[in-house]
Amino acid sequence: DTGVSQNPRHKITKRGQNVTFRCDPISEHNRLYWYRQTLGQGPEFLTYFQNEAQLEKSRLLSDRFSAERPKGSFSTLEIQRTEQGDSAMYLCASSPGTRGTDTQYFGPGTRLTVL
Amino acid sequence: DAKTTQPNSMESNEEEPVHLPCNHSTISGTDYIHWYRQLPSQGPEYVIHGLTSNVNNRMASLAIAEDRKSSTLILHRATLRDAAVYYCILRTSGSRLTFGEGTQLTVNP
Repeated sequence: DTGVSQNPRHKITKRGQNVTFRCDPISEHNRLYWYRQTLGQGPEFLTYFQNEAQLEKSRLLSDRFSAERPKGSFSTLEIQRTEQGDSAMYLCASSPGTRGTDTQYFGPGTRLTVL
Repeated sequence: DAKTTQPNSMESNEEEPVHLPCNHSTISGTDYIHWYRQLPSQGPEYVIHGLTSNVNNRMASLAIAEDRKSSTLILHRATLRDAAVYYCILRTSGSRLTFGEGTQLTVNP
């Protein structure tokens, strides 16, 4: 068990470019979550999957954001036409079961800087 | 999720106990009290959770008031590695974690 991994760890891009982040959850974890964290704030929920189904999306997830978990294993988060306000740490977490109160295990995050 | 209130920051000395308070006066009967912490440059990590009774694990203890409107996370002997932001979170059946701003704990050597 190597924990939740995220790639890349850092991404610098120019405004208007598209970026894609990858999250590999802990093996056999059914649920996978995406959060966003800006400096000095706690993480904010974006979306979550149970297996390959995307069950909830936050209002923070604008049309420029899309997340997938095609085979119920790894997940990708894509941001199209990036804006400076998208600069943040993007965190992925996974949990083992289907109960809403299961412990979530977080990855180290991908730090996005939009110039 | 119901709202929690925590002090912005606290300080402790190494090897001394730390009591981190959390107020949650609007807690409902089905809300679990969860604590996560976030070390610098890392993702949050689970610390402990409880419903009504006090809980202990290898990392910490959780003391829950009888009326459940407040709780206290107890680190029995703080180490430098415990310096982090500590988040108190209420959860019911929803899967999301709703983080506040948490308490920044500083541990002095």
